[in-house]
Order: sequence, then C-alpha cells, then structure tokens
Amino acid sequence: GENVEQHPSTLSVQEGDSAVIKCTYSDSASNYFPWYKQELGKRPQLIIDIRSNVGEKKDQRIAVTLNKTAKHFSLHITETQPEDSAVYFCAASFTGTASKLTFGTGTRLQVTL
Amino acid sequence: DAGITQSPRHKVTETGTPVTLRCHQTENHRYMYWYRQDPGHGLRLIHYSYGVKDTDKGEVSDGYSVSRSKTEDFLLTLESATSSQTSVYFCAISESGTTGRYGYTFGSGTRLTVV
Repeated sequence: GENVEQHPSTLSVQEGDSAVIKCTYSDSASNYFPWYKQELGKRPQLIIDIRSNVGEKKDQRIAVTLNKTAKHFSLHITETQPEDSAVYFCAASFTGTASKLTFGTGTRLQVTL
Repeated sequence: DAGITQSPRHKVTETGTPVTLRCHQTENHRYMYWYRQDPGHGLRLIHYSYGVKDTDKGEVSDGYSVSRSKTEDFLLTLESATSSQTSVYFCAISESGTTGRYGYTFGSGTRLTVV
C-alpha cells in the first residue's frame, strides 16, 4: 500500500517568514495530493490540493508543488501569520479506488511574533 | 455546518465492553471513512464504505467492525474495547470525483478513552 512520509515534524518560524513542509510518497499510481490544516481540538480541514497532471498550484499565500518523478510534494506558506499556527497533514491517494487517503504524520507549525 | 456529525463527542468506557460510534451525513456522499488519530501516527484508516452495505478494511482494522445500512449513516463498533483503542476517531465523507472533487470533509471527532 501507499506510504507517506512528512518532514519536519515541528517547524517554528517568525511572523512574515516562509514555511515549507515536505512529503514523499511511495506508490507511483497515486494521483491526488491534498493538504489539511488542523487547529488545536478541531477537525482537519482541506486547504489546498493538487492532481498529478499539475506541477504547481497557488491559492493566495499557500502553494503546493509536485514532482512526480521524485515522488515529492511540498506545501509553501508565505508571509506567515499567527493564525497559520496549526498541525498540517499531507496525504496521497489514487482516485480510482474510493480515494482512500494515506496521511503523513503531521507537521506542527508555530508562527512566533 | 459541514453536513457531517459524529456522536458521541466524548466517551469513557471500560476494557472489554463493546462501543459504537456514529457518523451521520446530510450531503448524500457515496464514500464514508473512519480514521483514528494518534500522536506520531497522523490519521490512519480503519474502515471505509463505498455504498450502502459496501465496506472494506483499512490499514488498522483489527478489533473494529463497521456497518452502513443507509447512505447517511456509518457506524464504527469496537467489539471489545482495549486500552490501545484509546484515540480520537474521525469520520470523513467524500464525493470522490462525482463533481471533480476528491477531498474529504471531516466530522468533529470522537474522543474515546478506554480504562
């Protein structure tokens, strides 16, 4: 089955700096890569996703990049703000099999003032 | 809200007792999933459903069973609760491509403690 590794497990940045979280996946059949944000005590929420036919996608201050050859994908957050502090999860799936998502182990992002 | 609710939100139970968690959706989505969340492990799939009475195992299914008798309800049962099943359980729903969307919507979670 699919295996997703995520790094780093914790990340501390100063407000206004950029943050990058990286994930690798093992199954070359995977073609859907979402990112979820989970605030303390809350449910995970989808913030951005990318399909394998696209190399990069942006939404305001967040962007995701995908390197299919290397089986890497990354989340980039620019101009970080205190409200970006949360746990971020990457995930991967093949959309032809009920889109069962395999998640990474999470990155705790702390944005300090 | 998100069109998906879980009950109960919190539960404490004793080792060896059966426990059932409920997930209810109002979105009419075909796919429903149960995950558990533990520190250092992220979210791990327990069971999922691709239609009424159609279910399959995930990566951590031992000790769990599920049922889906209606589109809107997906039940997770711990047959005989153990301390290792102390966790936060999340239900999720997905259109899985019906409208080109594959992302999950999660419920608010159930915090289960087995003592």
